[in-house]
Amino acid sequence: DVKVTQSSRYLVKRTGEKVFLECVQDMDHENMFWYRQDPGLGLRLIYFSYDVKMKEKGDIPEGYSVSREKKERFSLILESASTNQTSMYLCASSLWGLNYGYTFGSGTRLTVV
Amino acid sequence: SQQGEEDPQALSIQEGENATMNCSYKTSINNLQWYRQNSGRGLVHLILIRSNEREKHSGRLRVTLDTSKKSSSLLITASRAADTASYFCATDVRQGAQKLVFGQGTRLTINP
Repeated sequence: DVKVTQSSRYLVKRTGEKVFLECVQDMDHENMFWYRQDPGLGLRLIYFSYDVKMKEKGDIPEGYSVSREKKERFSLILESASTNQTSMYLCASSLWGLNYGYTFGSGTRLTVV
Repeated sequence: SQQGEEDPQALSIQEGENATMNCSYKTSINNLQWYRQNSGRGLVHLILIRSNEREKHSGRLRVTLDTSKKSSSLLITASRAADTASYFCATDVRQGAQKLVFGQGTRLTINP
């Protein structure tokens, strides 16, 4: 069964910590995405990547960075965690090209205290 | 940037009834997609309809697309308790970008 795996379901981190959220897909997808989901705001795109070592900013990249050293892995980095980054983080992947759906991971609920 | 907006925000119906959710969007699209999210989990892709299609079916799901009105609807027939979830529409931007923009979702509750 194909899937996107996020390394943690729940994380609690302290303000100022550097946080790594890992995402791995086994479908040989070219595209990978990081979204955050907040009540009343829906899903918002943080960063995405079309290829290894390639990244593009989404709608809310401030305070985040990403890394894609291998095709199957896309990491989201919170350089210095803040309480307003408490959220549900969702990773997704898709094939290159138009008219393909996304496959999502189960999400990581991050709490910054 | 908000592209798709679902209506209603919440819907509660009895098991066996049909559920209809609507989505409106603002700019030209290549396709529109619908996703389901069970509480606290990731989203699951349900169906994709291309901009040159008007209607599509998948099991108990029926999706329509009206590009002149920039709107879509998702119909779930003969609802079941397991259909209780949030439903999101998502659109891609027509200028070749492949990223999806999601609406805020419709929370559907099926009462037994």
